[in-house]
Amino acid sequence: QKEVEQNSGPLSVPEGAIASLNCTYSDRVSQSFFWYRQYSGKSPELIMSIYSNGDKEDGRFTAQLNKASQYVSLLIRDSQPSDSATYLCALNAGGTSYGKLTFGQGTILTVHP
Amino acid sequence: GAGVSQSPSNKVTEKGKDVELRCDPISGHTALYWYRQSLGQGLEFLIYFQGNSAPDKSGLPSDRFSAERTGGSVSTLTIQRTQQEDSAVYLCASSLGGPLLAGQFFGPGTRLTVL
Repeated sequence: QKEVEQNSGPLSVPEGAIASLNCTYSDRVSQSFFWYRQYSGKSPELIMSIYSNGDKEDGRFTAQLNKASQYVSLLIRDSQPSDSATYLCALNAGGTSYGKLTFGQGTILTVHP
Repeated sequence: GAGVSQSPSNKVTEKGKDVELRCDPISGHTALYWYRQSLGQGLEFLIYFQGNSAPDKSGLPSDRFSAERTGGSVSTLTIQRTQQEDSAVYLCASSLGGPLLAGQFFGPGTRLTVL
């Protein structure tokens, strides 16, 4: 089982809809979680971080974390064509590997007008 | 303010040559990280620096890879005797404080092509 799993998509949503991106992870002791957006040919851009169970909102973005279910998600409200990108879920498992982020393979999101 | 900068943006080299990639972190960021991204492999951690020391080098793929950081700022990733499988985009990131709680901010990357 991969450490961080994401549906590769593509996920296609109409403009104005809610896009829901999901991520599961295998290491129960993972401590911190991040969502990155990556446009084609560009480097990853940090969108959200979340560390405790529940929801965290920032503008149109809401991150949700459920450590019992080993699940983290990102909701994008009022999706815009400019949100079309690959979304990467990442986690820091702490312990001896506390220096690194482990990334999922990413979900491609397409928002069509 | 200025983000993470990397140089060169592109590097083409011949198999067997050595290359040096440079990273300038965001001013004041104490932690610095190197990753690489290649098709089919996703983003792969290489090394983490806190100040000038590297407490986590677990991602370096072989002893041909080394990195250093000086003055708690600029870092250089060196690849000796490059191989074709080293072709990838090498990304540097920095964070304010430790990696557990601080998000990492990425530079634009260096695209390395080994012929």
